[in-house]
Amino acid sequence: DIQMTQSPSSLSASVGDRVTIACQASQDIHYYLNWYQHKPGKPPKLLIYDAANLETGVPSRFSGSGSETDFTLTITSLQPEDIGTYYCQHYDSLPYSFGQGTKLEIK
Amino acid sequence: QVQLQESGPGLVKPSQTLSLTCTVSGGSIRGNAYYWTWIRQPAGKGLEWIGHFYVSGRTSYNPSLKNRVTMSVDTSKTQLFLRLMSVTAADTAIYYCARSQLIENAFRVWGPGTMVTVSS
Repeated sequence: DIQMTQSPSSLSASVGDRVTIACQASQDIHYYLNWYQHKPGKPPKLLIYDAANLETGVPSRFSGSGSETDFTLTITSLQPEDIGTYYCQHYDSLPYSFGQGTKLEIK
Repeated sequence: QVQLQESGPGLVKPSQTLSLTCTVSGGSIRGNAYYWTWIRQPAGKGLEWIGHFYVSGRTSYNPSLKNRVTMSVDTSKTQLFLRLMSVTAADTAIYYCARSQLIENAFRVWGPGTMVTVSS
């Protein structure tokens, strides 16, 4: 099974900061990687699909990059509504799996 | 647009079978472009892919669940079922149903989730 490892596990940043979350796969997953934002009491929300494609309706401050084993989610100017937990998810092979999550807080 | 809604008992006793339903409105499970998926989140933990169902009847499950899980749909193709046998406290979680497209397997449509507690 492919393991997904995110870093950091949590981070605190100020409004307007540039934030970067890393996701590493235990083997080459090409670009088969999606990113989600999850807030308490709600289902996860798709932000980025296929590593770098912005989902319709998601603000352009979110972007994704990477391929093979190393991927990054970037928020260029952090906003208060961006607090939550962020997950990467691969779909290279079954079983699909998620990273352990990165909890983002505002300073 | 398609909406999903999970339902089922909020409390299940250890060793019993957990049964959940995901009701699809604004569409059906007939389309051949989608996987219909169950995902769960134990309290304080991350998301776990349980498995998915395809309209042909083909299913795929997470091996971590050790043959305890089955998924099926009703004859009208508007309800997706999850059965998880021999539950323990480790199966306590929020359970979500979600839909993804075959190509990029991104979960765009989610139900709100339903909390299931395993306790005597």
